[in-house]
Amino acid sequence: DVKVTQSSRYLVKRTGEKVFLECVQDMDHENMFWYRQDPGLGLRLIYFSYDVKMKEKGDIPEGYSVSREKKERFSLILESASTNQTSMYLCASRWKVGVGIANTGELFFGEGSRLTVL
Amino acid sequence: AQKITQTQPGMFVQEKEAVTLDCTYDTSDPSYGLFWYKQPSSGEMIFLIYQGSYDQQNATEGRYSLNFQKARKSANLVISASQLGDSAMYFCAMREGAIGTYKYIFGTGTRLKVLA
Repeated sequence: DVKVTQSSRYLVKRTGEKVFLECVQDMDHENMFWYRQDPGLGLRLIYFSYDVKMKEKGDIPEGYSVSREKKERFSLILESASTNQTSMYLCASRWKVGVGIANTGELFFGEGSRLTVL
Repeated sequence: AQKITQTQPGMFVQEKEAVTLDCTYDTSDPSYGLFWYKQPSSGEMIFLIYQGSYDQQNATEGRYSLNFQKARKSANLVISASQLGDSAMYFCAMREGAIGTYKYIFGTGTRLKVLA
């Protein structure tokens, strides 16, 4: 089974703190993604990475940065947390195109990290 | 403009009845993929079904089917014979972009409640 693991299920941080959210996948996936989920807004793409050291901005990258130094690990960084970054953060990964007989390209998600910024 | 639109924030359905969850999308790419995910109250995202833009037939997976109307840019999820365990949030998503650098865009979701 594919396993996407997010380091913390629940975090509480103070405004201005630097926050690291870690995501590790164990299936050699090429692509990794960070989303935030808010009620009524669905999932919004923050950043994604299609290879080691490669990153692309999603729809809401402001206030966030990412790091992908190793293929299995994709980190989301909040340089200076603010209260409007209180949210559920979801990491996802996917197979490389063409890998797998029935590869529909679906995303595999972690369990989520609920961040509260006070 | 919204790329994925789910117009039903919440829906109710009687157990054992069928229900349709609406999804419309907007893209100019000729090649794209459409997905439905289920998110129960526990929070995990569960992949349900996939439809490719070039697929001629509507996708089916057990009790789930995807009513794909390309000209109308709609990809509605049909759940047949609803069960209490189907109560969850449902998200429609679209994959677009170039191979290797795909983005996945999600809708705002529909919360389904199955009534006994």
